[in-house]
Amino acid sequence: ELKVEQNPLFLSMQEGKNYTIYCNYSTTSDRLYWYRQDPGKSLESLFVLLSNGAVKQEGRLMASLDTKARLSTLHITAAVHDLSATYFCAVVGKTSGSRLTFGEGTQLTVNP
Amino acid sequence: AAGVIQSPRHLIKEKRETATLKCYPIPRHDTVYWYQQGPGQDPQFLISFYEKMQSDKGSIPDRFSAQQFSDYHSELNMSSLELGDSALYFCASSFGLAGVAGELFFGEGSRLTVL
Repeated sequence: ELKVEQNPLFLSMQEGKNYTIYCNYSTTSDRLYWYRQDPGKSLESLFVLLSNGAVKQEGRLMASLDTKARLSTLHITAAVHDLSATYFCAVVGKTSGSRLTFGEGTQLTVNP
Repeated sequence: AAGVIQSPRHLIKEKRETATLKCYPIPRHDTVYWYQQGPGQDPQFLISFYEKMQSDKGSIPDRFSAQQFSDYHSELNMSSLELGDSALYFCASSFGLAGVAGELFFGEGSRLTVL
């Protein structure tokens, strides 16, 4: 059974600081996704990572994928308050069809 | 650009009642997924359809059923509702099982409250 673990689960940081959220998964994966969710809202797609070594950047967020280590990172650069949200990684396992298995989510709070 | 449309956005039901949620995928998308997200939880996969056939089944209770229609919209039917069914229900769609470059789009969700 595919398991996806994120850490930290809670992250409080100051504006202007950098930090990294980690996503580990237990079996070989086809695809890895990062989503942002504001309270009670939908899942906003941030990145889709499809291959080993993939790196994607959008604004202050950068995601990378190491399929050998079964690890993805979401790096936040010079955080701003607007980045406060819950961030989920989700994985499609090679043997789990096309379903997404989500991590527990990282609740990020950026303080002024 | 058109997105995934879900209705209703909010629904309040009593225990043991029945509820139906609808999902209209992005035009030309042929694959629909349903996820359930409880309060403070991560989304859990329920069921998916590709070209109107069930393609995968997850932790969907026997009280729930779903189908995809000829116009590719999907409906999730929930019967004998329980308090624990209170959650956000998300529908997502893609073109093909793997999406175009893996792209998968989520709707705004339907919030079900069971009293």
